[in-house]
Amino acid sequence: EADIYQTPRYLVIGTGKKITLECSQTMGHDKMYWYQQDPGMELHLIHYSYGVNSTEKGDLSSESTVSRIRTEHFPLTLESARPSHTSQYLCASSGIRGTPLHFGNGTRLTVT
Amino acid sequence: DQQVKQNSPSLSVQEGRISILNCDYTNSMFDYFLWYKKYPAEGPTFLISISSIKDKNEDGRFTVFLNKSAKHLSLHIVPSQPGDSAVYFCAASSVYNQGGKLIFGQGTELSVKP
Repeated sequence: EADIYQTPRYLVIGTGKKITLECSQTMGHDKMYWYQQDPGMELHLIHYSYGVNSTEKGDLSSESTVSRIRTEHFPLTLESARPSHTSQYLCASSGIRGTPLHFGNGTRLTVT
Repeated sequence: DQQVKQNSPSLSVQEGRISILNCDYTNSMFDYFLWYKKYPAEGPTFLISISSIKDKNEDGRFTVFLNKSAKHLSLHIVPSQPGDSAVYFCAASSVYNQGGKLIFGQGTELSVKP
């Protein structure tokens, strides 16, 4: 069952456009994450949040920004997309520590 | 500095045989380990986890082994099925590492042939 939802699934846009990737979860989890993953590579954490109005940058430098105004919603925004932003973006959430992350189905972004 | 490593990018196994996927880590403070399975164009799906107080955890066809002295964990799938063909990621976390965020390996692509 899909308790964490990402839209769009696929997005092809031109350089310079502003985009927002949506992520929502219905599990009431406080912790939410954005990972970036390229084929054959590990998942890199780019942003995380431990609750409303709390956001932190992850281990991988990213030009994107996030917001957490509501518990269930954690959108990611790119102000000006570039071809180097082409990747798969995965949103995840978790409850208390010791429980696994639940991932959405991801957004495959292609910037031309 | 990669703290979680999966040194085999791919593995091919015959249906019905055992699949063994390996993962090494460098941070001795890791205390929680997980395996995820990922199909193309989908998000990772949680498979099985183990805490550092155990050395084995089993769930159906999947068993995870943890060797803390060697900083090594492995996932055994037996018997392997064609539907198991996917990319498998191991991940680790520590409460001392930025509040327990997961660190992932690069993944191993498993192909189970009929």
